[in-house]
Amino acid sequence: GNSVTQMEGPVTLSEEAFLTINCTYTATGYPSLFWYVQYPGEGLQLLLKATKADDKGSNKGFEATYRKETTSFHLEKGSVQVSDSAVYFCVRTQGGSEKLVFGKGTKLTVNP
Amino acid sequence: DAGVTQSPTHLIKTRGQQVTLRCSPKSGHDTVSWYQQALGQGPQFIFQYYEEEERQRGNFPDRFSGHQFPNYSSELNVNALLLGDSALYLCASSPDRRTYFYGYTFGSGTRLTVV
Repeated sequence: GNSVTQMEGPVTLSEEAFLTINCTYTATGYPSLFWYVQYPGEGLQLLLKATKADDKGSNKGFEATYRKETTSFHLEKGSVQVSDSAVYFCVRTQGGSEKLVFGKGTKLTVNP
Repeated sequence: DAGVTQSPTHLIKTRGQQVTLRCSPKSGHDTVSWYQQALGQGPQFIFQYYEEEERQRGNFPDRFSGHQFPNYSSELNVNALLLGDSALYLCASSPDRRTYFYGYTFGSGTRLTVV
């Protein structure tokens, strides 16, 4: 099928810690992959994207690399800030479709 | 540049009633999709509109219907509301149906509570 599995939260880190949120997808077709972020009380914002294998998406210090061999798209940031506290969603397109398939989301809390 | 605008922001309805939610896409975007996000879950695709027609539909009953207007704005209608329809309803727009490349721009959503 077309699914996305991301690590269960919540994740709690101290400021300046290293962040990894794991995400894997089912290898159906050649999806585009995205990370969306949802800050408290707000809608979803596109954080970064990768449209083909080996692409690296990056934005605001976050990075994720499209790994076809491991069907993964892990989100990383070298030094998190309190303002990064949010829910992060790993997302794929569904083959032959405009539909987005979301993971369940990972809540990140960064403490000062 | 205004992003995706949704109205109302919050809504309380009674079981069995009908509701209409509205969305104005980002300027330059002609494709509108609707998603339902239950509390603590990822959004689920309801349907997509392009050129005033429903192009794709997710696994939602016929109680969920929509419309797209010539100016690309859209409405989501839900009939015979159930308690389980309580959720955040998100509208998302993209240019020229190229979601695979652009992703979507999401609105802040309408929080629907059915009592």
